[in-house]
Formats: sequence, C-alpha cells, structure tokens
Amino acid sequence: DVKVTQSSRYLVKRTGEKVFLECVQDMDHENMFWYRQDPGLGLRLIYFSYDVKMKEKGDIPEGYSVSREKKERFSLILESASTNQTSMYLCASSLNPGREAFFGQGTRLTVV
Amino acid sequence: AQTVTQSQPEMSVQEAETVTLSCTYDTSESDYYLFWYKQPPSRQMILVIRQEAYKQQNATENRFSVNFQKAAKSFSLKISDSQLGDAAMYFCAYSSRNQGGKLIFGQGTELSVKP
Repeated sequence: DVKVTQSSRYLVKRTGEKVFLECVQDMDHENMFWYRQDPGLGLRLIYFSYDVKMKEKGDIPEGYSVSREKKERFSLILESASTNQTSMYLCASSLNPGREAFFGQGTRLTVV
Repeated sequence: AQTVTQSQPEMSVQEAETVTLSCTYDTSESDYYLFWYKQPPSRQMILVIRQEAYKQQNATENRFSVNFQKAAKSFSLKISDSQLGDAAMYFCAYSSRNQGGKLIFGQGTELSVKP
C-alpha cells in the first residue's frame, strides 16, 4: 500500500513564524507535489518536484519555498507565515505523469 | 499554460439515478493524461478514473465512465446508479510528460446524493 504521510493534521502558527510542513512517501515515487485547497478554488499547485533537489514553481509559489534533499521527503516552507496562508495543504506523489497520484491526509494550517 | 475548468460548483442526484460532471481543459499538447479524483468528507483523495489522451476509447470503472472529447477538450464523468457513498467533492485533473509531471486540478464539483 502506497503511503503519503503528512507530519500534522492540524497546525496553528503565529504571523511571522517560519513554518515547516513535512511530507514523506514510501513508494520510491519520482514526482511530489504541494497544493493548497481553498473553497471554490480547488487545488492550486504551489511547487512540485520531479527528482531529488529538483523543483518547479506551480501556480502560486509566492511566500513559499520547498526542499527535497531525499527522494522520499518533500518539505514545504512558509518563510514568514501570514494570515492569508491559512488553508488546507495537501501533499501528493506519483511514479510518473501518467500514473495515479497518492495523497496525504492534508494539514489544516491556521495562521493567527 | 494548461488550465482545467469545472463549471459546476455543486450538483445533486437522486440515489440510483445517473449524473454527469463536466470538465474542460486547455492545452496545446497532444499527449497527456486526464483524471477524476474523489474527495469524501474524510479529505482523503482517491483516484476514480484515468484516461490517456492517445486512446480513443472512453475509460470505464464499474459505475464510473468518462466521455472524452479530445477535439472539444472535454472530459466529463458519468456516475451511474448513484449511491450515498458517492457524495463527495470531485476534481478533474491534467498531467503531461512535457510539463515534467505537473498535475493540475480544476475547481471541483461538490456532489450530493439524495436518498
């Protein structure tokens, strides 16, 4: 069974804090993704990675950065959290572009 | 840039009836993949069905089937014999090798099933 594990289901942080969201997959997948999900806007791609230390910006990268030092781990970093980054964050991985993507359970982040 | 559009924010269907969810996409590529994902209240995203653009035959998975119209860039999902467990948010998604595996989603359609 493919597993994608996100480090937290719920997180509350203060404005200006540096926030790390961790994602680990156990199936040796090449591609990993970070999305944020907001009502009415669907899933918007923040960053994705197709290999270790490789990353590509998605549609809304501003205010975020990512790190992929090992194949199984893809971290999303909010450099200085702001209230407009309050959202649901979803991590996913896939073997290649045509294959099914597997998702973590999501992290609901609240920035106060 | 590729885009995926779902124009129906909400849909409703009676149990045992059939419902169709719409999805259109924009791309200049000829080789790509399309997906429908389901997100129930548990938030766990699950693949419902996938379609390879080079295949003319529409994909089917039990009660779920698609109507893939490549020229029209349309990819609708038909759910037959709807069940209460089908109630969820449904997302249409696009991916291609030329984009390095970038997976793009639409806005989602919330489906409710009435008993």
